[in-house]
Amino acid sequence: AQSVSQHNHHVILSEAASLELGCNYSYGGTVNLFWYVQYPGQHLQLLLKYFSGDPLVKGIKGFEAEFIKSKFSFNLRKPSVQWSDTAEYFCAVIPGGGADGLTFGKGTHLIIQP
Amino acid sequence: DGGITQSPKYLFRKEGQNVTLSCEQNLNHDAMYWYRQDPGQGLRLIYYSQIVNDFQKGDIAEGYSVSREKKESFPLTVTSAQKNPTAFYLCASSLAGGSFQETQYFGPGTRLLVL
Repeated sequence: AQSVSQHNHHVILSEAASLELGCNYSYGGTVNLFWYVQYPGQHLQLLLKYFSGDPLVKGIKGFEAEFIKSKFSFNLRKPSVQWSDTAEYFCAVIPGGGADGLTFGKGTHLIIQP
Repeated sequence: DGGITQSPKYLFRKEGQNVTLSCEQNLNHDAMYWYRQDPGQGLRLIYYSQIVNDFQKGDIAEGYSVSREKKESFPLTVTSAQKNPTAFYLCASSLAGGSFQETQYFGPGTRLLVL
């Protein structure tokens, strides 16, 4: 079974700092990759996704992620974070060829200090 | 408004009691999913359904049951066999079951607490 690892459970940054959240997965075949975000008191929502093509994908609110197949990684980045980015971030994987549920990482709780 | 609704927002369960969590979507999505979220655990798949009258077990199906009699509805029953039911339960849907490129959209969740 596939698994997803998020390296940091808690990250604290100051506003305007650069952000990189790590995500590695264990599935060897074709995968689709997602980053979801859960703002305090809000629904889980899609930040960005990779299905195929350009490995650098851009999402909402200035976030981007790079798929590196050789490293089984899909790290999330943002050049300059804002206080409103405080949230929990989840990396998720679904293997190609099926409509099974997503396999999620355990999440990273990001706190941005003003 | 189109979307996924879950009710109730909070649910209390007594020992030995079965409880049912509601999930409704008006997005005309074929596939629906139930996840359980625990602190520090991420989300784990309980059950999913790609089409009406069909569903499959996910990673942690023991102690849970589902039905999919209507396209719009995918209720989850937490049975007395589930020994640790306290958690946040999230329902999701996607446009087409059988297509791995479909994004899943999530409801607001139901928090289940055991008395």
